[in-house]
Amino acid sequence: NAGVTQTPKFQVLKTGQSMTLQCAQDMNHEYMSWYRQDPGMGLRLIHYSVGAGITDQGEVPNGYNVSRSTTEDFPLRLLSAAPSQTSVYFCASSYASGSGEQYFGPGTRLTVT
Amino acid sequence: GEDVEQSLFLSVREGDSSVINCTYTDSSSTYLYWYKQEPGAGLQLLTYIFSNMDMKQDQRLTVLLNKKDKHLSLRIADTQTGDSAIYFCAEMNESQGNLIFGKGTKLSVKP
Repeated sequence: NAGVTQTPKFQVLKTGQSMTLQCAQDMNHEYMSWYRQDPGMGLRLIHYSVGAGITDQGEVPNGYNVSRSTTEDFPLRLLSAAPSQTSVYFCASSYASGSGEQYFGPGTRLTVT
Repeated sequence: GEDVEQSLFLSVREGDSSVINCTYTDSSSTYLYWYKQEPGAGLQLLTYIFSNMDMKQDQRLTVLLNKKDKHLSLRIADTQTGDSAIYFCAEMNESQGNLIFGKGTKLSVKP
C-alpha cells in the first residue's frame, strides 16, 4: 500500500492564483481530512469528509473548497491564493470518523507571494 | 470549546528520560493520543491510551493519564537522537469525529 499520497510536494503561487492540492489514499478509508500547519499554531482542520459525496467544514475553511467524488481522492482547492495561505498542508485519512488512528501524507509546502 | 495545551520546547541529553506534558479540556474523550512528526514528514501515531486507564507502557514509551486533572504525559526512557521530533498530544472531538491537536512539543536530544 502506498498509504496517503500528496502532490505536489512544493508549490509557489502568486497572490490571486488558484490551484488544487491532490490527496489520495489506497486503504479504503472512509474518513479524510485536510490540515494546515503553521509555526506556533499546531495543526488546524480545514475541511473533512466522512465518505464519498459528504464534506464538512473544519476550524479554518475560508478560502478553500473540497469535494469527495470517490473514496480514494480528496482534493483541496485554493480559489484565489493569499499570502496568509502560505503554510504546510497535510492530508490525513482513517477508516472511519471518530477513529483517532489517522494516517498522514508527507505534506505540501505552499508559498504564496 | 475543546483545547489541548502543550509546552513548545523540551531539550534533553541522550540517555536521559524525556517527559512531555499535555492538558486537555474535553472530559468525555474516550481515547487520548500521541503523534510524532519527524522533520519534513507527516505525523505518525505513536501511542494512545483509553480514558479508563491510568498508565500504558509500550517499550520505551510510558503514557500517564490523570483524568481528574485532565493531564496526559508521555515519557520516553533512554532518549536517543532519533527521538528528536515534534510530539503532538490529541483528543477526539466526539461530536464531529475529528482529532484536536495541541501545538506540539519540539524535543531536541543533545549527544
